Amino acid sequence: AQSVTQLGSHVSVSEGALVLLRCNYSSSVPPYLFWYVQYPNQGLQLLLKYTSAATLVKGINGFEAEFKKSETSFHLTKPSAHMSDAAEYFCAAINNAGNMLTFGGGTRLMVKP
Amino acid sequence: EAGVAQSPRYKIIEKRQSVAFWCNPISGHATLYWYQQILGQGPKLLIQFQNNGVVDDSQLPKDRFSAERLKGVDSTLKIQPAKLEDSAVYLCASSLPHRGAYEQYFGPGTRLTVT
Repeated sequence: AQSVTQLGSHVSVSEGALVLLRCNYSSSVPPYLFWYVQYPNQGLQLLLKYTSAATLVKGINGFEAEFKKSETSFHLTKPSAHMSDAAEYFCAAINNAGNMLTFGGGTRLMVKP
Repeated sequence: EAGVAQSPRYKIIEKRQSVAFWCNPISGHATLYWYQQILGQGPKLLIQFQNNGVVDDSQLPKDRFSAERLKGVDSTLKIQPAKLEDSAVYLCASSLPHRGAYEQYFGPGTRLTVT
């Protein structure tokens, strides 16, 4: 069964600093991977997804993620944090049948002025 | 294009009471999902519908939870009777049938508090 681990339930950065949110997956087969963002009292919004094409995936709002098979990782980065990036971020993987998402526990990003 | 609609947005009930949540997916989305998101955790799939048929309900606590999608459009999720541990946000999502879990659109959720 697929599992997704997000290291760090809370990450705090200063405005303008690099954002790095970590995600590792466990699977014998490289899965399809996703990052979602959830703003307070809202549903999840897709940031980006990896579907076995390019290993560096660019998403919305300046975020990108790199798929590294050797490290079974799919970390999310943004060069310069903005106050509006404060939210909860979820990494997710799809199962082999392609019908179910497994989510990590989430990382709450706080951006300090 | 309208997004996934859910109601109510918030609900507070006492344990052992019943509660129902409603979801209206994006028009044309045959696949509908219900997730439970407990505070501090990622969403967990409860049930998946394809039109009005159940695809996967392996993680649905069937002794107290039920869900239906009678006409293949909107859906209701019911809890009867509720327990304290059911306090969570219940998210509904939908997708086109050929996109499956690759492209799900989420509603704003219903926050349930059981006291």
